[in-house]
Amino acid sequence: EAQVTQNPRYLITVTGKKLTVTCSQNMNHEYMSWYRQDPGLGLRQIYYSMNVEVTDKGDVPEGYKVSRKEKRNFPLILESPSPNQTSLYFCASSQTGGWTEAFFGQGTRLTVV
Amino acid sequence: GENVEQHPSTLSVQEGDSAVIKCTYSDSASNYFPWYKQELGKRPQLIIDIRSNVGEKKDQRIAVTLNKTAKHFSLHITETQPEDSAVYFCAALGTYKYIFGTGTRLKVLA
Repeated sequence: EAQVTQNPRYLITVTGKKLTVTCSQNMNHEYMSWYRQDPGLGLRQIYYSMNVEVTDKGDVPEGYKVSRKEKRNFPLILESPSPNQTSLYFCASSQTGGWTEAFFGQGTRLTVV
Repeated sequence: GENVEQHPSTLSVQEGDSAVIKCTYSDSASNYFPWYKQELGKRPQLIIDIRSNVGEKKDQRIAVTLNKTAKHFSLHITETQPEDSAVYFCAALGTYKYIFGTGTRLKVLA
């Protein structure tokens, strides 16, 4: 089954404790991206990757890191989480360049206390 | 920076009526305009998309129109049904970067 898988689904952590949210897709998509969803603000792109080893900043990259060492995986790293990073996070993948349907993961609800 | 404005933020219609959601984008390089539907507690899913070389696209009860000159695109849902109730997001994609609108909560009243 074609899918994008994120883990964990829910995470509560403390300020400053490094964490990683994993994202994996099995559709051989080149384009992957991370979004955060906050009430009234819609979906905002954090980082995107056009292909392996090629990443770039989206609209809200501050406080986040990503890596793309393999085509299928695109982890999101929060080196020192803060309460303002409490949000619902989505990973998504799509074909070349992103100009086709984006398939979203199930979402990760992160709470930083 | 680039942005996408989406209106209205909430929309209530009677079952069977039509619903229209409008978006305006700022980046002239945008050339792909998808619409996503997000049901409560679920992930966004594509319902229709349009590319910059097309003015209109229709899929059963759903249609999207694009006016590149005005940098404006709209979602039209006809004969609305209760299962159309959800949050709808427009988006614009230029050079690899996705910009989403802030969403429209559509309620279809039975």
